[in-house]
Amino acid sequence: DTGVSQDPRHKITKRGQNVTFRCDPISEHNRLYWYRQTLGQGPEFLTYFQNEAQLEKSRLLSDRFSAERPKGSFSTLEIQRTEQGDSAMYLCASSLATTAGGDFGSGTRLTVV
Amino acid sequence: AQSVSQHNHHVILSEAASLELGCNYSYGGTVNLFWYVQYPGQHLQLLLKYFSGDPLVKGIKGFEAEFIKSKFSFNLRKPSVQWSDTAEYFCAVRGAQRSGGGADGLTFGKGTHLIIQP
Repeated sequence: DTGVSQDPRHKITKRGQNVTFRCDPISEHNRLYWYRQTLGQGPEFLTYFQNEAQLEKSRLLSDRFSAERPKGSFSTLEIQRTEQGDSAMYLCASSLATTAGGDFGSGTRLTVV
Repeated sequence: AQSVSQHNHHVILSEAASLELGCNYSYGGTVNLFWYVQYPGQHLQLLLKYFSGDPLVKGIKGFEAEFIKSKFSFNLRKPSVQWSDTAEYFCAVRGAQRSGGGADGLTFGKGTHLIIQP
């Protein structure tokens, strides 16, 4: 089983509502990444943290998206005022700073109705 | 900006056939290259990766990939596939900084859906 945990596995929400996802990385990993994957596409990078610092954000991450990793362990991704276009699988990955790529979680599937 | 192109979206093979999945990338500098696999209902798993050194990289489950710098390619191969290799395969690239680290997230291709018929 994967060492990266994501919660919830599935989320259905009405358009305009706020949603929050959680990712628990592998405990010794200090890097944590968020990706989004839509049907028929590969994952798209959203943002990443090294410890508690958010070091990079993709232009895909609009103002409605915010991510945190307050203590350098778990991370949350919040989407405010959800839109139908936000429907996707949201993936979390973690790695050591000295490696690359990362171990992926099973993802949170968001459906906005 | 970097990009990744996977030539075949769907591939159907019979068991014991040889496999080669194409991957080309676009990036002007040094790259790190990856192949991930996603079995039905499971999370992405790393098959293999290339950072430097021997351009022929061996991964898990009998897979290998060859980095050809002049062709900007990193094709995945397996000499004899099995039914259990049915999955989605993703090629990914990350621009490597001179420091040897690399802070960017991965750029993925759209994936190749591989079906192995028994």
